[in-house]
Amino acid sequence: ETGVTQSPTHLIKTRGQQVTLRCSSQSGHNTVSWYQQALGQGPQFIFQYYREEENGRGNFPPRFSGLQFPNYSSELNVNALELDDSALYLCASSLSGQGVKGYTFGSGTRLTVV
Amino acid sequence: DAKTTQPTSMDCAEGRAANLPCNHSTISGNEYVYWYRQIHSQGPQYIIHGLKNNETNEMASLIITEDRKSSTLILPHATLRDTAVYYCIVGAGAQKLVFGQGTRLTINP
Repeated sequence: ETGVTQSPTHLIKTRGQQVTLRCSSQSGHNTVSWYQQALGQGPQFIFQYYREEENGRGNFPPRFSGLQFPNYSSELNVNALELDDSALYLCASSLSGQGVKGYTFGSGTRLTVV
Repeated sequence: DAKTTQPTSMDCAEGRAANLPCNHSTISGNEYVYWYRQIHSQGPQYIIHGLKNNETNEMASLIITEDRKSSTLILPHATLRDTAVYYCIVGAGAQKLVFGQGTRLTINP
């Protein structure tokens, strides 16, 4: 059974640029959630995808968007990067119906905006 | 906003029991208490959850007070690998976890 894989592990972007982060969900999981974790803080919910559609969103602006593919993998896209977007971005997969106890997190992508 | 209050940091000697408290005085009747931990440079890892009864698994025990306003996570024989940030989370439904600041637990040799 494979876990959640995120790529890249580290990334440096310039303010104003766009970035795409990728997540492969754990085998058998059909739901993907994305979280942003600023340094020294707990993770903050960005949004969740189920059956290729957004299924809930946290307090993040529209320049944060996502996709889920038929194989349940997912992308997080951030446009017009700001310095405050520098953070660890975590992807978590789960199986619908298992609830939040069934989340499996990846190790994250560390994004630095300069 | 997180619905839980945890100490910012705690220390425990290796081999001893680590007891991590959490206050959740506004918990609703249908909300569970979940514990996750995050080891440095990794994503959060599920530990245990409960509704009102005490729970135990291979990783830890969870003690929930009768009024459900607080709980304690117990790591019975802490090892150096248990050094991590521990998050106590309350919630119902399947959608999202609302993390607070957590407790930074340091296990000392």
